[in-house]
Amino acid sequence: QSALTQPASVSGSPGQSITISCTGTSSDVGSYNLVSWYQQHPGKAPKLMIYEVSKRPSGVSNRFSGSKSGNTASLTISGLQAEDEADYYCCSYAGSRGVFGGGTKLTVL
Amino acid sequence: QVQLVESGGGLVKPGGSLRLSCAASGFTFSDYYMSWIRQAPGKGLEWVSYISSSGSTIYYADSVKGRFTISRDNAKNSLYLQMNSLRAEDTAVYYCARDTVTIGYWGQGTLVTVSS
Repeated sequence: QSALTQPASVSGSPGQSITISCTGTSSDVGSYNLVSWYQQHPGKAPKLMIYEVSKRPSGVSNRFSGSKSGNTASLTISGLQAEDEADYYCCSYAGSRGVFGGGTKLTVL
Repeated sequence: QVQLVESGGGLVKPGGSLRLSCAASGFTFSDYYMSWIRQAPGKGLEWVSYISSSGSTIYYADSVKGRFTISRDNAKNSLYLQMNSLRAEDTAVYYCARDTVTIGYWGQGTLVTVSS
């Protein structure tokens, strides 16, 4: 049950855009449009930011967007803000189970 | 509003047992799959188990299979996780979550520490 692969860290300056990748396999990301992204601030529960690859829950800023190509999903955050600094996790359905990525720490410089 | 409140965490010795509970409110509990997801200190999220709305479909991560048992009581709007033969590597914050992949609601988490 291997985790999806995410970069350990990314960084950007306020106002810039960053993209976090999430690489899986043809058994998970590549086979299902059931990829979600979560934001987690220290000591807090994760928060759903993107679901079904590119859909945004009500209340989530349109600065957050998701996409997928083949076995890799991506989360893009545009117009970086200080409050975006957090850990981000991708998650994919993998046929009878879910699998998370290892997480990416976003630093806003 | 949707609320998920976990309880039952604590300090337990290796080989011991613990039962986690999750009290749900603000939605029709019996309509939803429910999950337990854990996060070891300083580590990422890991799926532990999920259970279908009726309880007929259950999944366990390989790391807990045979040791943990998930269950639910739809009449009491409650989710449970019975954890036996606990190991040091089970030390984590355990989150109760509504649904499986698209998790819009999480509990605040309960800390389980396995140590002698």
